Amino acid sequence: QAQLVESGGGLVQPGGSLRLSCVASGFSFGRYGMHWVRQAPGKGLEWVAFIRSDGKKQYYADSVKGRFTISRDNSKNTLFLQMNSLRVEDTAVYYCGSDQLWSFERWGQGTLVTVSS
Amino acid sequence: QTVVTQEPSLSVSPGGTVTLTCGLSSGSVYSSYNPSWYQQTPGQAPRTLIYKTDIRSAGVPDRFSGYILGNKAALTITGVQAQDESDYYCLLCLDTDIRVFGGGTKLTVL
Repeated sequence: QAQLVESGGGLVQPGGSLRLSCVASGFSFGRYGMHWVRQAPGKGLEWVAFIRSDGKKQYYADSVKGRFTISRDNSKNTLFLQMNSLRVEDTAVYYCGSDQLWSFERWGQGTLVTVSS
Repeated sequence: QTVVTQEPSLSVSPGGTVTLTCGLSSGSVYSSYNPSWYQQTPGQAPRTLIYKTDIRSAGVPDRFSGYILGNKAALTITGVQAQDESDYYCLLCLDTDIRVFGGGTKLTVL
């Protein structure tokens, strides 16, 4: 059964860093572009970043550009999100998702990131 | 900065029909923006309903249909059931691999 499992969330102070991981199983991970999406408490969904299947191109929302880096290791079926210079407003549940024709074919269950002093 | 707009809230009676829309703060939504739609209940990950304007994801009942309505994307739910009470989000691909979600519509089944 195909699934995505995120990990790496937790509590971090403003200005700190965190690295999220998303492990894929049950499908050909290396054939799919991958996304990160987040949802602040009580708020809507916000698209964060996308990486193409071969890892050669990355795209970011303006709110995270220059602070977050999306990457992947196709040999380990794993997607990453390196988050630096974290702000209180980055507090959210972070979901990874696999791309399908400009949408999401699969979603992970999410991992909570809390930025607070 | 372009904003993707959705009705903040809508209500519908069981068995009824409701249409949710997805527009742009400036300009029209075209099928080339590949609109997609997502359903989310509290505490759960989103579920993909519609992609590429009008293609239903696997397992999505045909009560859900997506299309372009004038200058917006639309999602119509017919024969609404209590279990359809959820938040619904649209997503547009506005530039090469840049995506933007709408603010979401909270659907209440009265």
